[in-house]
Formats: sequence, C-alpha cells, structure tokens
Amino acid sequence: DIQMTQSPFSVSASVGDSVTITCRASQGIGRWLAWYQQKPGKAPRLLIYKTSTLQSGVPPRFSGSGSGTEFTLTISSLQPEDFATYFCQQGESLPQTFGGGTKVEI
Amino acid sequence: EVELLQSGGGLVQPGGSLRLSCAASGFIFSNYAMTWVRQAPGKGLEWVSSISGSGRIYYADSVKGRFTISRDNSKNTVSLQMDTLRADDTAVYYCAKETCGTDCYFSSDSWGPGTLVSVS
Repeated sequence: DIQMTQSPFSVSASVGDSVTITCRASQGIGRWLAWYQQKPGKAPRLLIYKTSTLQSGVPPRFSGSGSGTEFTLTISSLQPEDFATYFCQQGESLPQTFGGGTKVEI
Repeated sequence: EVELLQSGGGLVQPGGSLRLSCAASGFIFSNYAMTWVRQAPGKGLEWVSSISGSGRIYYADSVKGRFTISRDNSKNTVSLQMDTLRADDTAVYYCAKETCGTDCYFSSDSWGPGTLVSVS
C-alpha cells in the first residue's frame, strides 16, 4: 500500500495568514493527489483533486501543487471558516490511502 | 445537487452484523463508482471498499471476507453488509461518490453525513 505522510500535525495561524501543508507519498503517484477539509462532526469536503484542480465551489485561496511524491496545499489569507482539519489522499491505486491529517487552528 | 442519505449503523456486539445503506440522488448513479470510508473516533480516514458502476468490487484487507459491498442501480443505492464485526470496526462510516466515473477512484467529490457503528 502507498503510505501518505502529512506535515505538520497541527499549525496555529491567524485570520489573513497563509498556511502550507505538505503531503509525501511513499512512492510516486503522478498527480493523483486530493485534498479534503473536515470540520468536527462533519463529513470530509473535497477541495482539490489531481493535485491542483479546484473542486467546484471551493474558493481560489486554496491551491495545490506538486507531483511524484511531494505535494502541498496552500491556503492564502486564512478565513475564519478555514479552521479545520485537512487530509491528503492518493488516488493512484487502490487501496486509497490518506494522510494522518493537519489541524489548522487559531 | 448530489445528495447521499445514509441509514443503518448503531451498537452491536462483537461477532454481530450490521447493514449500512446509502441512497443517492442528483446524478446518474450507474455512471459513478461508489466508496465507503470510515473514521475511528479521533482518528484519520480509512478506505473500506469501492464498487464500480457495473459492480466491480474492491476491499481493504482489514475487511475482506467480512464485509460485502453491493449496489442497486435501479434504486440508486449502495450498501455495506458488515459481518463478524470486531471492536476495531468501531467508526463513523461514510459513503462517497467517486469524482471521475464508473471505474476510477482518484477522489470522492460528495460524501454522506456518516453513520456511527459501535462494536462493544
């Protein structure tokens, strides 16, 4: 199985800050990387797929980049509603595997 | 608008069985693969099983032989029959619609609200 490692585990930030989260795959996954946002008690929400394609309705302050084994999610100008946990997920092959999550908190 | 309504779940003793269902609307159901993902309390996300639009099936090793995924394209539903449940199956279970089509699995663009399965 492909292992996904996210960092940092958590990050403290303020409204207006820019935050970058990193996800590393244990082997090359091309650009088959997705990012999700999850708030407490809620289902995950797809933000980005295929590394950098923004899901419909997601604000452009979210962006993704990378390829192969290293990927990043950047949230520019954090808004109050962005405080949540973020997960990466590889879609190169089944089983889908997820990173451990990054909590973005105030 | 895509909607996934989940039912089933609850408290069951170890060794018992439960059936989860997910009713889909707002898209051509048979054109998309569907996936179950679970999340143990306070933990991350774990892929459980997927089924293609035509019924091709995939399982995580942790549930293979115990869980059975199925779909009814005439009723727009996907189900997960869970047998021989163990304490480590305790989790919120989400059904999700795959983004790309009938038999590809690179991301899930719509998720149900989740249903709690407690094995104790």
